[in-house]
Amino acid sequence: GEDVEQSLFLSVREGDSSVINCTYTDSSSTYLYWYKQEPGAGLQLLTYIFSNMDMKQDQRLTVLLNKKDKHLSLRIADTQTGDSAIYFCAESIHTDKLIFGTGTRLQVFP
Amino acid sequence: AAGVIQSPRHLIKEKRETATLKCYPIPRHDTVYWYQQGPGQDPQFLISFYEKMQSDKGSIPDRFSAQQFSDYHSELNMSSLELGDSALYFCASSPTGYNEQFFGPGTRLTVL
Repeated sequence: GEDVEQSLFLSVREGDSSVINCTYTDSSSTYLYWYKQEPGAGLQLLTYIFSNMDMKQDQRLTVLLNKKDKHLSLRIADTQTGDSAIYFCAESIHTDKLIFGTGTRLQVFP
Repeated sequence: AAGVIQSPRHLIKEKRETATLKCYPIPRHDTVYWYQQGPGQDPQFLISFYEKMQSDKGSIPDRFSAQQFSDYHSELNMSSLELGDSALYFCASSPTGYNEQFFGPGTRLTVL
């Protein structure tokens, strides 16, 4: 994740919104992704956004992309305890390999 | 719906031994990717194959080799294992030109 940075931890109260941030450096990235990983488990694709879009909403998830600042964020509305996991952003150029961020551990407390 | 299958799910080896990890992509997916995720780390790209040919190479040690077979399954061969090779190894597959990679459950390799 040397080219894709995330904050390490985020702690939120159940019912609040969570915002996880990601910065990337490769301006030629064409797709940006958000993956969720629960302890000892695989990588679950949550959503992705094409680089010519500013925003994408999918139920409780909202992705914002600021291409000028190379900043990506994932907002989770009404965060639940089941949302506790590590969240990785990732970038790719066309359909190439994924370059993952350092991961943000989200902890949701009651 | 069929998913990516990886075997074995868990593997324990001694230092200097060899290991073979297998990946069976989703039917009609012709591209396979391998990633390595060390403890507390983000997944790192190792290597990918498209139509049985290596398409890209990342930070894969020379001790590792991989190939994709005619039925599109792929194997990652690891020799002279080191303690630092202990990690989760993920395989992902995608059909041609598709931007989404579908990940398998991973193989957890422990080197003692």
